[in-house]
Amino acid sequence: AQKVTQAQTEISVVEKEDVTLDCVYETRDTTYYLFWYKQPPSGELVFLIRRNSFDEQNEISGRYSWNFQKSTSSFNFTITASQVVDSAVYFCALSFISNFGNEKLTFGTGTRLTIIP
Amino acid sequence: DTGVSQDPRHKITKRGQNVTFRCDPISEHNRLYWYRQTLGQGPEFLTYFQNEAQLEKSRLLSDRFSAERPKGSFSTLEIQRTEQGDSAMYLCASRVPEVKLAGADHEQFFGPGTRLTVL
Repeated sequence: AQKVTQAQTEISVVEKEDVTLDCVYETRDTTYYLFWYKQPPSGELVFLIRRNSFDEQNEISGRYSWNFQKSTSSFNFTITASQVVDSAVYFCALSFISNFGNEKLTFGTGTRLTIIP
Repeated sequence: DTGVSQDPRHKITKRGQNVTFRCDPISEHNRLYWYRQTLGQGPEFLTYFQNEAQLEKSRLLSDRFSAERPKGSFSTLEIQRTEQGDSAMYLCASRVPEVKLAGADHEQFFGPGTRLTVL
């Protein structure tokens, strides 16, 4: 069984501060994928990043960066110099290739991030 | 607009009524997913189509739920005899075919969802 845990339910930071969202996962599969999605107040899930289990190289994209550590089963997400537009619910998700070729996603419960102006 | 679209965006119904939602995936996306998201939770997988074939269903999908994708394009999700516990956001997502995965992102593109309220 797969499980994704986002222990932080809500985080509030003042604009321009850095913030890290934690994600811990459980899976028995050797090949799996990790994702981060953003859900703004409009409700639509927006894809941010995908990582496969063989690629532990951390990534930076603009103000976003991701830290994937297989040894601790963590896939954390950091926003530097936060902005009000970053306010949203952020979901970490895990998927694997099922027998049906179905890459269904298992989501965490999300972290609501509020950036205070 | 070439994204995933869903209709209606909001639906309010009385307990016991039937409701049907529609999802139009991104053109050429042969894989289509339905998820359900309740308040304060992450989306949960309901069912998956590859073209017109429904290949996997979650145990969350009770007998009152049925999903179709008759021509491998749009999909419908019907809930019969709705219950208050069915109140949720129903999300649809689509993804590129396997043959196009090389060099392409593997993410599922989500629609805006249909918010169902059962009174």
